[in-house]
Amino acid sequence: DQQVKQNSPSLSVQEGRISILNCDYTNSMFDYFLWYKKYPAEGPTFLISISSIKDKNEDGRFTVFLNKSAKHLSLHIVPSQPGDSAVYFCAASGVSGAGSYQLTFGKGTKLSVIP
Amino acid sequence: DGGITQSPKYLFRKEGQNVTLSCEQNLNHDAMYWYRQDPGQGLRLIYYSQIVNDFQKGDIAEGYSVSREKKESFPLTVTSAQKNPTAFYLCASSMQGQDGEQFFGPGTRLTVL
Repeated sequence: DQQVKQNSPSLSVQEGRISILNCDYTNSMFDYFLWYKKYPAEGPTFLISISSIKDKNEDGRFTVFLNKSAKHLSLHIVPSQPGDSAVYFCAASGVSGAGSYQLTFGKGTKLSVIP
Repeated sequence: DGGITQSPKYLFRKEGQNVTLSCEQNLNHDAMYWYRQDPGQGLRLIYYSQIVNDFQKGDIAEGYSVSREKKESFPLTVTSAQKNPTAFYLCASSMQGQDGEQFFGPGTRLTVL
């Protein structure tokens, strides 16, 4: 059963507009959430994160919102640029029984920013 | 520069052969991880290691083996028992006890012929 869900496999947005990528999770023990960006045939790169004690974190054009009661987070990119075109993975973290932090990833959303 | 290296970038293997994928990091990270990515899928955890000489199975460990003899190195062996080994393999590392953030290598694309 998927604990982290990204229900939109793809998203197309015009350059300059806002991109909103969504992510839902089911495990209430997750306490830290991350977004990664991935280009084809490359490793993911960390984009932005948020702790469960916050509801918003902003870094330049990127903002992540967390709604704990709904178990939902979203990534906003404003304004969107063609270079933002990539696959975005949502990941959730919680301490495992072995005491380590493990990440659980969603399946990703492919963002295409149209010039 | 500090980072994670994986070699080779592309790897071809004949069915029935074992193959070892390399992962090296010079970030002084305690924890290292191996993931597999298939088309349309997220990253699935194969094995992870929190400390030298210790490692744990992830969600899809069957058909894989690892070793952690040095802090910097975490090689993954894809054995002939792995039924569907063609995939993109990613290695990652993190500081022990840090809030989840993992740093990824560039990946190895394994194709079984």
